[in-house]
Amino acid sequence: SQTIHQWPATLVQPVGSPLSLECTVEGTSNPNLYWYRQAAGRGLQLLFYSIGIDQISSEVPQNLSASRPQDRQFILSSKKLLLSDSGFYLCAWSVYGGGVEELFFGEGSRLTVL
Amino acid sequence: KQEVTQIPAALSVPEGENLVLNCSFTDSAIYNLQWFRQDPGKGLTSLLLIQSSQREQTSGRLNASLDKSSGRSTLYIAASQPGDSATYLCAPNSNTGKLIFGQGTTLQVKP
Repeated sequence: SQTIHQWPATLVQPVGSPLSLECTVEGTSNPNLYWYRQAAGRGLQLLFYSIGIDQISSEVPQNLSASRPQDRQFILSSKKLLLSDSGFYLCAWSVYGGGVEELFFGEGSRLTVL
Repeated sequence: KQEVTQIPAALSVPEGENLVLNCSFTDSAIYNLQWFRQDPGKGLTSLLLIQSSQREQTSGRLNASLDKSSGRSTLYIAASQPGDSATYLCAPNSNTGKLIFGQGTTLQVKP
């Protein structure tokens, strides 16, 4: 069966520090991968999605970047964090087949920038 | 641009009641629609997926319907239990994986 792992689960970082959140998927190949952010009092916002290695699209301008060095690994990064980067970050994966695409989410990483 | 609205924003009911959660979306050109559950501080759990060609989908005590032409979906929860307490999110899929989420309905089922 397929599983998705995110880490770290919780992170407290000072403003201006770097960030790296990692997501890996097991039990499937060539998945579509996504990073969403859920800010306090706001809905889920799609940040990045990837259909393959080194194929990444950004949905919103921001202080973050994403990379996909391996088929089932998706990394969210920042060189210098802002207070507004605080939030709950969720990685998701999907495979499209038979006209159906269903998304599955990880447990999330809570980032607090102080 | 797809916009999703979920009504009500919050709901508190006694155990055993049957519930209807509503979701409306502005762009009816969707491939499918997913309903998710989110427990506090946790990720999203996929509950049901309805394809655009389907009118409803059932899983246990959950039943989701889809009226694509009118831009509406409902999630019906039968015989609610305290363990059903969570936030329920609907998300239509208009463009491969780019789910647009509503703000959710936060449900509390009291024993």
